Amino acid sequence: GAVVSQHPSRVICKSGTSVKIECRSLDFQATTMFWYRQFPKQSLMLMATSNEGSKATYEQGVEKDKFLINHASLTLSTLTVTSAHPEDSSFYICSATRSDSDYGYTFGSGTRLTVV
Amino acid sequence: QKEVEQDPGPLSVPEGAIVSLNCTYSNSAFQYFMWYRQYSRKGPELLMYTYSSGNKEDGRFTAQVDKSSKYISLFIRDSQPSDSATYLCAMSQDSNYQLIWGAGTKLIIKP
Repeated sequence: GAVVSQHPSRVICKSGTSVKIECRSLDFQATTMFWYRQFPKQSLMLMATSNEGSKATYEQGVEKDKFLINHASLTLSTLTVTSAHPEDSSFYICSATRSDSDYGYTFGSGTRLTVV
Repeated sequence: QKEVEQDPGPLSVPEGAIVSLNCTYSNSAFQYFMWYRQYSRKGPELLMYTYSSGNKEDGRFTAQVDKSSKYISLFIRDSQPSDSATYLCAMSQDSNYQLIWGAGTKLIIKP
C-alpha cells in the first residue's frame, strides 16, 4: 500500500508556456502533500506544503504566482509551473503523508522538467 | 511490491547506541544509492551518496551497499538526540536523478 503516482515523469516545454504536474495518492487519503525541487547532487528543497481544501503554504523565496499548487481532494495535488523559463528546469517531486504521522512520507517518482 | 522497501518505524534507541537503517530493492539496474535525513517540516537533506557496491564513511555515518542482496544500510555511531529525524533511502539507475524513494524510517534517539 501507500503508493503515490506522479505524472509526467519527464516533460520538455517551450519558454513561456505552462506545465502541470500531478501527484496522486492511489490507495490512501493524503491529508498533506509536499512539493520539492531538486538540483543535481543536492538535497530536495521544500517548495510548499498543501493541505486538502486550503491554500498551500509556500516556503520563503518560492514565488506563489509562478508555482501554482492546488490540492482539491484528498488524493490529488497539482503543481503548475506558469510561464516557464530555462531556469525552472529541474527535478520536481511530491510526497504525501497521512494524518497518522508515524506512517512517514510516500514520495512520487519525480518529474524532470526541461524548459527550452 | 514496491521497488524500494523501507520500514517506516518508528525506531527508538537510547543515546549513544549504534543505529542501523536499511532498505531493500528489487531493481538490479539501480546503481546510485542515497540516504537523506529529514527533520519535521523540512526538506530532506542528502547525507550519503554511493555509487555501486561498497562502503562509504563520513564521520559517524557509514553507508553500505550490497548489490548482490539488493540491500543497503546506513549506520549511525554514537547516536545523539539531534539525530532524531526521518531517514529516507533513494536510488536510481543513472545519474539523471530519477529517484525511487523509500518511505522513510522515523528514528527517535532517547536522551
